[in-house]
Amino acid sequence: AIQLTQSPSSLSASVGDRVTITCRASQGISSALGWYQQKPGKAPRLLIYDASSLESGVPSRFSGSGSGTDFTLSISSLQPEDFATYHCQQFRNYPLTFGGGTKVEIK
Amino acid sequence: QVHLQESGPGLVKPSETLSLTCTVSGGSIDPYYWNWIRQPPGKGLEWIGYIHYSGSTNYNPSLRSRVTISVDTSTNQFSLNLSSLTAADTAVYYCAARPVVPPRPFDYWSQGTLVTVSS
Repeated sequence: AIQLTQSPSSLSASVGDRVTITCRASQGISSALGWYQQKPGKAPRLLIYDASSLESGVPSRFSGSGSGTDFTLSISSLQPEDFATYHCQQFRNYPLTFGGGTKVEIK
Repeated sequence: QVHLQESGPGLVKPSETLSLTCTVSGGSIDPYYWNWIRQPPGKGLEWIGYIHYSGSTNYNPSLRSRVTISVDTSTNQFSLNLSSLTAADTAVYYCAARPVVPPRPFDYWSQGTLVTVSS
């Protein structure tokens, strides 16, 4: 199975900060990666697909980049509603796998 | 807009079988893979498996010996059976949809249901 390693596992940031989260795959997955946002008690919400395509309705402060094994999710200017846990997920090979998650907390 | 709603028990005993059903509304069942995903409290997400309306399935090897996913196209429902439960199966269980083509992440998710395995 393809392992996805997210870093950091948690971070503290202030409103207005730029935040970057990384996801590394144990083998190449081309651009078959998605990013989700999850708030407590809620299901994940898709933000980014195909590594860098913004899902409809998602604010443009979210962006994704990368291909192969190294990927990043960036939030250009953190807003209060962005404090949440972020997950990456590969859909290149079965079994589908997720990263361990990155919790973004208020500094 | 596809809507997913799962149903099933919130508490099951060790060694028993968990049965959950997901009802699909607001869209056709044909163009999607119908998945089960779980998340133990405070932990990450784990894909369990999928079924297509044709009946084809794909399961996570880590759970394959204990998992069965079935579909009822007449009622737009699909179901999960997970046998030989232990405390490690305690988790929030989600049903989710991803398109058959093009390959994409999970577009639609249910709200999730907490299943606790305890005597």
